[in-house]
Amino acid sequence: AQSVTQLGSHVSVSEGALVLLRCNYSSSVPPYLFWYVQYPNQGLQLLLKYTSAATLVKGINGFEAEFKKSETSFHLTKPSAHMSDAAEYFCAVTHSGGYQKVTFGTGTKLQVIP
Amino acid sequence: NAGVTQTPKFQVLKTGQSMTLQCAQDMNHNSMYWYRQDPGMGLRLIYYSASEGTTDKGEVPNGYNVSRLNKREFSLRLESAAPSQTSVYFCASRGQGGPGTGELFFGEGSRLTVL
Repeated sequence: AQSVTQLGSHVSVSEGALVLLRCNYSSSVPPYLFWYVQYPNQGLQLLLKYTSAATLVKGINGFEAEFKKSETSFHLTKPSAHMSDAAEYFCAVTHSGGYQKVTFGTGTKLQVIP
Repeated sequence: NAGVTQTPKFQVLKTGQSMTLQCAQDMNHNSMYWYRQDPGMGLRLIYYSASEGTTDKGEVPNGYNVSRLNKREFSLRLESAAPSQTSVYFCASRGQGGPGTGELFFGEGSRLTVL
């Protein structure tokens, strides 16, 4: 079985500060990992994905994430938060074997304080 | 570019009523999904369809049925709605790529309230 755990349902940062959203995965086989963002009253859209190529993955809007197998982690970071980053962020996992099932974490709401 | 289109966007039902949520995608994707989103619980998979003519249960299939009508359309039916089915429902389709690597494209959601 595969799963992801997102630590912190709510995270607050000041505008210009580092954003760090945590995701740990559990998978018995090499995983594929994704971060999605959801703005209010919208569907989710892809920020970035890890599919076993480079372990440091760059996404849209200045976000990046690093796959660390030893820590079973895929944390999302951005050096400097912008007001427009306020949204809910979801980590998701699948793998090449049971790849049709995409499992999501419970989400982290990011608040950016001016 | 429509992408994934869901209807209706809002619906209020009484307990015991039935309804169907419609979903259509115009990206020629094989895989389609229905999720429900509840506060603090993230997205939970209800059913998915790996290709036209196949459907499989996800984490929370009880109380729901699905139909993959053709490659474009994947509908979700509530036969006898219950208050526990009050939620926001998202349809998604899976983009191309190697197994596991395709991203999900989401509709805007259908907000269902069961009284």
